[in-house]
Amino acid sequence: DADVTQTPRNRITKTGKRIMLECSQTKGHDRMYWYRQDPGLGLRLIYYSFDVKDINKGEISDGYSVSRQAQAKFSLSLESAIPNQTALYFCATSERMAGAPGSTDTQYFGPGTRLTVL
Amino acid sequence: AQTVTQSQPEMSVQEAETVTLSCTYDTSESNYYLFWYKQPPSRQMILVIRQEAYKQQNATENRFSVNFQKAAKSFSLKISDSQLGDTAMYFCAFMTRGSTLGRLYFGRGTQLTVWP
Repeated sequence: DADVTQTPRNRITKTGKRIMLECSQTKGHDRMYWYRQDPGLGLRLIYYSFDVKDINKGEISDGYSVSRQAQAKFSLSLESAIPNQTALYFCATSERMAGAPGSTDTQYFGPGTRLTVL
Repeated sequence: AQTVTQSQPEMSVQEAETVTLSCTYDTSESNYYLFWYKQPPSRQMILVIRQEAYKQQNATENRFSVNFQKAAKSFSLKISDSQLGDTAMYFCAFMTRGSTLGRLYFGRGTQLTVWP
């Protein structure tokens, strides 16, 4: 079974609709991230969470919100979807205490969610 | 600000040959990590190789190796004995150990095509 899962894998929605993308992980990592990928732009950070009570904005958080329901679950919401939010969305996880001796700092990605907003 | 530049949007190589993908980065930090991720048509992001900036020795993983030039802020990926399954988008990424610890900065990617 995959260590990091995302649901749904694909979603088509209409402008103005609320949508939630979910991420679950079984790696036991404390840190979780949401990225957005647009063609030709690489991946950009939307939100990140270093533990259940610690949530931080990334470089493109406008129009998005997140919820860290548990160590293993991190959801991304679009309160009122717009067409320029059409993109590929990735969840990622990494170990706590990144940078500490013995940690790997490596981020492990889910399979992605293809979101289309019409 | 941290930036990552991949100057080659597309590259192609014949099967069994060697190819090098370029990456440069800009940072004022002295302690950081560098990564190469691969994204095949399945769109999964797969870690290829990782380098700690404090290590002088270049990282290697089977057919994949890097040329890390810290002074030049360069981090190229060499793929030896290219295989058809290496066809993918390759992303260079950077992570600092400072206040933004744990945050990855990505380049825009290089699309590599391996042909028979």
